[in-house]
Amino acid sequence: GAVVSQHPSWVICKSGTSVKIECRSLDFQATTMFWYRQFPKQSLMLMATSNEGSKATYEQGVEKDKFLINHASLTLSTLTVTSAHPEDSSFYICSAANPGQGTYEQYFGPGTRLTVT
Amino acid sequence: LAKTTQPISMDSYEGQEVNITCSHNNIATNDYITWYQQFPSQGPRFIIQGYKTKVTNEVASLFIPADRKSSTLSLPRVSLSDTAVYYCLVGGADSWGKLQFGAGTQVVVTP
Repeated sequence: GAVVSQHPSWVICKSGTSVKIECRSLDFQATTMFWYRQFPKQSLMLMATSNEGSKATYEQGVEKDKFLINHASLTLSTLTVTSAHPEDSSFYICSAANPGQGTYEQYFGPGTRLTVT
Repeated sequence: LAKTTQPISMDSYEGQEVNITCSHNNIATNDYITWYQQFPSQGPRFIIQGYKTKVTNEVASLFIPADRKSSTLSLPRVSLSDTAVYYCLVGGADSWGKLQFGAGTQVVVTP
């Protein structure tokens, strides 16, 4: 399967600072990327969907001004958590897909553990 | 948007076959059924995808009845390393961008 990477794999930041997480599809062109958040012992919660070159579509309850998503190329999407607070501490996972290839499979990154102190 | 229902947990012994059934009563015509495996602190890993009847790959089989309102993931001869959470995801062209993970099934394999 296709390979998706995330960077960093974990990050600790102070409350009020911003953190950027990168998601890269290494061996295919991802026309669509998804961002999820997962709290301990819970399922993945979809935060937003981004298509290359257009604005992200956010799920209800997700603040678009707090979670900035940029999908500037077919291989890179970034999630910036602005003015992070302890309640933003979570496991953030991205996935990449190219439904134009006839499959609706998502290729997931390894995740980024964010801890806000 | 198809909602999925799975058992919360399943226990098995090594070497046994594990079957996890997912209910998706309002699956749409264009929807595919995809199963993912997730280990703690890792991203989900694709297991198998199907539209109807039976699909088999090197790690699992997926059985989908004619009405497509449910699907069963079959893991043959599980090992300890198959202990993970398994998610059933239903979606396709019409629901693209709105895919939601259900609660998943925690499978625990013991010696």
